[in-house]
Amino acid sequence: SQQGEEDPQALSIQEGENATMNCSYKTSINNLQWYRQNSGRGLVHLILIRSNEREKHSGRLRVTLDTSKKSSSLLITASRAADTASYFCAMTRGNTPLVFGKGTRLSVIA
Amino acid sequence: NAGVMQNPRHLVRRRGQEARLRCSPMKGHSHVYWYRQLPEEGLKFMVYLQKENIIDESGMPKERFSAEFPKEGPSILRIQQVVRGDSAAYFCASSPTAGQGQETQYFGPGTRLLVL
Repeated sequence: SQQGEEDPQALSIQEGENATMNCSYKTSINNLQWYRQNSGRGLVHLILIRSNEREKHSGRLRVTLDTSKKSSSLLITASRAADTASYFCAMTRGNTPLVFGKGTRLSVIA
Repeated sequence: NAGVMQNPRHLVRRRGQEARLRCSPMKGHSHVYWYRQLPEEGLKFMVYLQKENIIDESGMPKERFSAEFPKEGPSILRIQQVVRGDSAAYFCASSPTAGQGQETQYFGPGTRLLVL
């Protein structure tokens, strides 16, 4: 199965701290994407990293990809209460559909 | 440019009734994907469609579920004779080009189906 697994399942931090979430997968991929989902809402695309890339930044987000370890991490720096959400990694291989993990539920306490 | 639109946002059905979920992709997008999400779970792929064609329905149950994306109008996910286990959030996503793995998918707000 290509399903990703996010770790930890839940994370609670204070506002201003950094949050790190990890994603592991089992097969080779073309790219890996991170999405955010606020409670009761749809998914919002955050960042895409291709298999030949190692690191990518977007604002307060930093994503790394280690294809040798089949893992990715999402770092949110200087977290805010508004970052409270579930975060999912999703990966693709060729024309396969997006395969999502169960997500990490992040709570940022003001 | 409006995002992906889904309606209704909430749908309540009794067991045995039909549920019809609609999805209008972003303007210029010709690829539509349907996903199902159970509480506290990630999204599970159901079906991938292009205009008038089903490309991949490997995630869709073979009975009671069907999907279409006609030349004109929204994509429809139809669930016949609903059962309580169909209660979930159903999300539609769209992308502009071929190759699900190559482009970002843009998600709608979802339809939350409750079967009584």
